[in-house]
Amino acid sequence: EAQVTQNPRYLITVTGKKLTVTCSQNMNHEYMSWYRQDPGLGLRQIYYSMNVEVTDKGDVPEGYKVSRKEKRNFPLILESPSPNQTSLYFCASSLRYHYEQYFGPGTRLTVT
Amino acid sequence: GENVEQHPSTLSVQEGDSAVIKCTYSDSASNYFPWYKQELGKRPQLIIDIRSNVGEKKDQRIAVTLNKTAKHFSLHITETQPEDSAVYFCAAGEIIQGAQKLVFGQGTRLTINP
Repeated sequence: EAQVTQNPRYLITVTGKKLTVTCSQNMNHEYMSWYRQDPGLGLRQIYYSMNVEVTDKGDVPEGYKVSRKEKRNFPLILESPSPNQTSLYFCASSLRYHYEQYFGPGTRLTVT
Repeated sequence: GENVEQHPSTLSVQEGDSAVIKCTYSDSASNYFPWYKQELGKRPQLIIDIRSNVGEKKDQRIAVTLNKTAKHFSLHITETQPEDSAVYFCAAGEIIQGAQKLVFGQGTRLTINP
């Protein structure tokens, strides 16, 4: 089954404790992206990747890191999480030049 | 950078009537305008998109119009049905080497009343 998976789906952590949210797709998509969703603010793009080893900043990259060492995986790293990073996070992927993005199920992160 | 404003934030229509959601954007370099639908507790799904070289696109009951001069685009849903109830997001951005750099609007909660 073609899909985008994210892990964990739910996470409660404390300020400053490094964490990684994984994203994996099995559709051989070149393009992958991370978004955060907050009430009243819609979706905001954090980082995106055009292919392996090629990443770029979206609208709200501060406090986040990404890497794209393999085509199928695009992990989101929070080196020192803060409460303002409490949010619902979505990973998405698409074929390059085919613009329908397939979203993962979301990861709800709470930073206390 | 790009800024996208979406209106209204909530919209309630009678089943069978039409619904219109409007978005404005600020960056004239934007060339790609998708619309996503998100049902409660679900992930966003693309319902229609338009490129800047096209003024209008239609897919069954859904249509999108783009006015590049005025920097606004709209989603039109005709003959609304209860399953159209959801939050709709517009977005504007650039296609860069086949990748999408997007800024989303704040969302419109559409409720279809039976």
